[in-house]
Amino acid sequence: QQPVQSPQAVILREGEDAVINCSSSKALYSVHWYRQKHGEAPIFLMILLKGGEQKGHDKISASFNEKKQQSSLYLTASQLSYSGTYFCGTETAATDSWGKLQFGAGTQVVVTP
Amino acid sequence: DADVTQTPRNRITKTGKRIMLECSQTKGHDRMYWYRQDPGLGLQLIYYSFDVKDINKGEISDGYSVSRQAQAKFSLSLESAIPNQTALYFCATSDHDRDSSYEQYFGPGTRLTVT
Repeated sequence: QQPVQSPQAVILREGEDAVINCSSSKALYSVHWYRQKHGEAPIFLMILLKGGEQKGHDKISASFNEKKQQSSLYLTASQLSYSGTYFCGTETAATDSWGKLQFGAGTQVVVTP
Repeated sequence: DADVTQTPRNRITKTGKRIMLECSQTKGHDRMYWYRQDPGLGLQLIYYSFDVKDINKGEISDGYSVSRQAQAKFSLSLESAIPNQTALYFCATSDHDRDSSYEQYFGPGTRLTVT
């Protein structure tokens, strides 16, 4: 079962903040975040691992609540370049799922001048 | 040069035809993946390979097959294409170890249309 993302879409003005949420029904080992521009390849933003380790871009912030199997991505002081569709990908704690991601349906972000 | 390349970038084919999508990477990663993306939807895993001799089915493998010819090459085949396989297909690679999780690097995608 794929993770659930919310909201489905958000429209921001430049400089505003937004939060994108990702929720899973399974115990998670890691949560990945990617951004995709229309028709292009998804680009890596961040990984949050069970135990607190994070890897990713300095300008992106995110959180991972292991007990609730939830992650949030924070878009702060948004820029026009932040527009795109954001996907979370979850890696469950089951050993036969290591290295495999299940992606959410995505959150479309539009940043306007 | 791009680290992950896919060929062709666009393909239009007819129902019933066999088609192969190719993926090559220069990142030296053992793990490679094939995903399918339908409009407005997320990425669905078709097949994945953790090394040349380890190939596994993903969520939606029916109607697809793969071949891992070398560490750097992973091909996806549609044995008999059907219209609902019209989609954007992405190849991805990643590094690995037992104690962490690693980002996936995506190729530019192949837009496949089956008429």
